[in-house]
Amino acid sequence: QVQLVESGGGVVQPGGSLRLSCAASEFTFSSYGMHWVRQTPGKGLEWVAFTRYDGSSKFYAESVKGRFTISRDNSKNTLYLEMSSLRADDTAVYYCAKDGVDWGWGNWFDPWGQGTLVTVSS
Amino acid sequence: EIVMTQSPGTLSVSPGERATLSCRASQSVGSNLAWYQQKPGQAPRLLMYGASTRATGLPARFSGTGSGTDFTLTISSLQSEDFAVYYCQQYSNWPLTFGGGTKVEIK
Repeated sequence: QVQLVESGGGVVQPGGSLRLSCAASEFTFSSYGMHWVRQTPGKGLEWVAFTRYDGSSKFYAESVKGRFTISRDNSKNTLYLEMSSLRADDTAVYYCAKDGVDWGWGNWFDPWGQGTLVTVSS
Repeated sequence: EIVMTQSPGTLSVSPGERATLSCRASQSVGSNLAWYQQKPGQAPRLLMYGASTRATGLPARFSGTGSGTDFTLTISSLQSEDFAVYYCQQYSNWPLTFGGGTKVEIK
């Protein structure tokens, strides 16, 4: 069964940085694009970033462009999200999710990890 | 950005009854639409993609219809485990966007 396990969340001050990780198992990680999606009580679900299966193309939500960087290490079956210049409105549960289609360009999300909470507060 | 609008915000239904959830896109997304179910404290779970294709293992009481801008998720006979929040998501254009959700609660 596909497993995605996020880690790295926590409390960080405004303007600070944090790196999230997502360890993947039980599927061919190097064949699938991967996403980060976040959820806040006020704004619901928001797609954050996507990387193609080989990292050759990346897409970002406007709200995080220039501040967040998605990357992957296919030798370690791990996805990352490097977050900098964090703001209060980045506070959310961050989920990693596998793209629904192998070799795809961004489709549906299946499955999702359990999420990791990021709180930006002084 | 394609804006996804779900209605109603909350749907009160008795067990065994039918639930009909709507999702509207601000421009055509073709059939590039997915539905998710989320229960409290859990991550969302894929129900449907391609507007009408059920995810592996999804019971047949769930069905999806629509194309273009108007989509419907129908649960033919609500079971206790179906009370949850449901989200639609388009994957026609970047950025990928979600609707605000419909909460299906017990009447």
